[in-house]
Amino acid sequence: EAGVTQFPSHSVIEKGQTVTLRCDPISGHDNLYWYRRVMGKEIKFLLHFVKESKQDESGMPNNRFLAERTGGTYSTLKVQPAELEDSGVYFCASSQSAGGIAEQFFGPGTRLTVL
Amino acid sequence: SNSVKQTGQITVSEGASVTMNCTYTSTGYPTLFWYVEYPSKPLQLLQRETMENSKNFGGGNIKDKNSPIVKYSVQVSDSAVYYCLLCGGSNYKLTFGKGTLLTVNP
Repeated sequence: EAGVTQFPSHSVIEKGQTVTLRCDPISGHDNLYWYRRVMGKEIKFLLHFVKESKQDESGMPNNRFLAERTGGTYSTLKVQPAELEDSGVYFCASSQSAGGIAEQFFGPGTRLTVL
Repeated sequence: SNSVKQTGQITVSEGASVTMNCTYTSTGYPTLFWYVEYPSKPLQLLQRETMENSKNFGGGNIKDKNSPIVKYSVQVSDSAVYYCLLCGGSNYKLTFGKGTLLTVNP
């Protein structure tokens, strides 16, 4: 069974540009999570989808970040316009059930560098 | 509010036993996960502690509870970053610790 995949694995862009990250969860997983790890800091929760609905987006840093999950399958996270402080590793995870006790399966992450 | 604290770094020799602590504060019957991150690999689940599988789980609000993970007879290949992930509160807030970098020397 394929795991959670993320694309691209690395992205280098200039300040002010737009970047779109993609996450494909494990097939059949309704719950999809986005996290990010900024250099030297802990991994922080960004948002949680249940199917195509945003269950919790309290971790989104500002309105330059837009997450979508059309059709309840893959998800995209767009950063527009990117700023230097957006550099970091963006992780996606999925789980079969929510409610907090289900194991989340993580993707390998996308390393974003904003110059 | 929820919080998670972990020891930053631990260095041991092969064959040693090591305890990595995770001290957390939470509301609402939390679940505590341990994940490991090997270089260039996705985070993998090591263990999970819920109300159901912990004898020490008091339920309800938790303050400064330690939920350690113990590894016996560690090998160089166990070198990795070990993370705690807390899911707590009435709305299942997700909070990671900063991770413990375990270095095992041959």
